Amino acid sequence: GAVVSQHPSRVICKSGTSVKIECRSLDFQATTMFWYRQFPKQSLMLMATSNEGSKATYEQGVEKDKFLINHASLTLSTLTVTSAHPEDSSFYICSAPPSGRMNEKLFFGSGTQLSVL
Amino acid sequence: GQQVMQIPQYQHVQEGEDFTTYCNSSTTLSNIQWYKQRPGGHPVFLIQLVKSGEVKKQKRLTFQFGEAKKNSSLHITATQTTDVGTYFCAGRGGAGKSTFGDGTTLTVKP
Repeated sequence: GAVVSQHPSRVICKSGTSVKIECRSLDFQATTMFWYRQFPKQSLMLMATSNEGSKATYEQGVEKDKFLINHASLTLSTLTVTSAHPEDSSFYICSAPPSGRMNEKLFFGSGTQLSVL
Repeated sequence: GQQVMQIPQYQHVQEGEDFTTYCNSSTTLSNIQWYKQRPGGHPVFLIQLVKSGEVKKQKRLTFQFGEAKKNSSLHITATQTTDVGTYFCAGRGGAGKSTFGDGTTLTVKP
């Protein structure tokens, strides 16, 4: 099956620093990728839809200047948490439909556990 | 906006007992997907249902999509310890976006 690689798997940073998370599709081209946030024992909350070659679409309540998304190629999307604060600590996970079609199943990255001190 | 409710939030069963999780949407869905997330892991796709009243089986797992395409269920027969994890439904609405349910966390006592 399709593989989505997410890096890093875990990051600990100081408050005020920025953290970049990468999501790569290894064996398919991903014109669209999705970024989620998941709190412990809770569901996946869609943050934004990353579109290759164009601006990301953010969900209501998600600060686009706080969570910068770049989808510069067909295999890579990045999420940068700028000026991270402890309340940004969470599990961040990306996904992509391998065919690029919105109604297809999603393959998920392994997630990034962010801890902001 | 679209809301997807999933119950129960937790389910503890003895190995060999059956398990069911239910998913209800506030709006009619174009399709519904089910995912399983093991502890510490990421969601893995199980199945997609598209047609009204559709029933699909995967070994001990049975998935149903309601006639009105607003609800769905996942039933596991004779649970095993390997079934532990959190099961999420994800309903896709008219706007094309999927909304995940809150998930049902299954624990199985050997």
